[in-house]
Amino acid sequence: GQNIDQPTEMTATEGAIVQINCTYQTSGFNGLFWYQQHAGEAPTFLSYNVLDGLEEKGRFSSFLSRSKGYSYLLLKELQMKDSASYLCAVRDEESGGYQKVTFGTGTKLQVIP
Amino acid sequence: DAEITQSPRHKITETGRQVTLACHQTWNHNNMFWYRQDLGHGLRLIHYSYGVQDTNKGEVSDGYSVSRSNTEDLPLTLESAASSQTSVYFCASSLGTSGSYNEQFFGPGTRLTVL
Repeated sequence: GQNIDQPTEMTATEGAIVQINCTYQTSGFNGLFWYQQHAGEAPTFLSYNVLDGLEEKGRFSSFLSRSKGYSYLLLKELQMKDSASYLCAVRDEESGGYQKVTFGTGTKLQVIP
Repeated sequence: DAEITQSPRHKITETGRQVTLACHQTWNHNNMFWYRQDLGHGLRLIHYSYGVQDTNKGEVSDGYSVSRSNTEDLPLTLESAASSQTSVYFCASSLGTSGSYNEQFFGPGTRLTVL
């Protein structure tokens, strides 16, 4: 099974930088995803990490350390529209080569002026 | 444009009734998933399918069933709806399994209320 932990809520100021952490425990790790979910909407894909290191995509970056079971999502130059929940999801490889994704409970980020 | 749709978007039903939620994707994806999302629990996997005629139970499958007769559709059936099944249901799809990373594309969700 998997255990995924991320903070429940965070608040940050418009224009600032915020880091959302995710820790996980899994037996067959095969990738970590970050999704963004605005209130009342579906999750949308932000980033994917399978190797250690930082992946940068515009204002958003995601970091992974497999040995520590740790990832973070870094949001720069925060905008009001970044107010949303951010979901960490871990992919496990099951027997037979199938891969299953498990989601954390999400971090609700509020961006204030 | 390819998309994933769910219907109905909102449903109110009574305890004990059978309910079917539809999910249709035009991505031609092999993998399809059903999740429920509740406060404090995040997205929890109900059932998933890796191809036609393939179905598997997720972590919260009791009281739910699915069937996969074609690539495009994975309907979710609540055999006898219970108040505990009041939730928002999301369908998702992804391209494949092993090898490349496969982001999931989510439908808009169905808000189900069981009275």
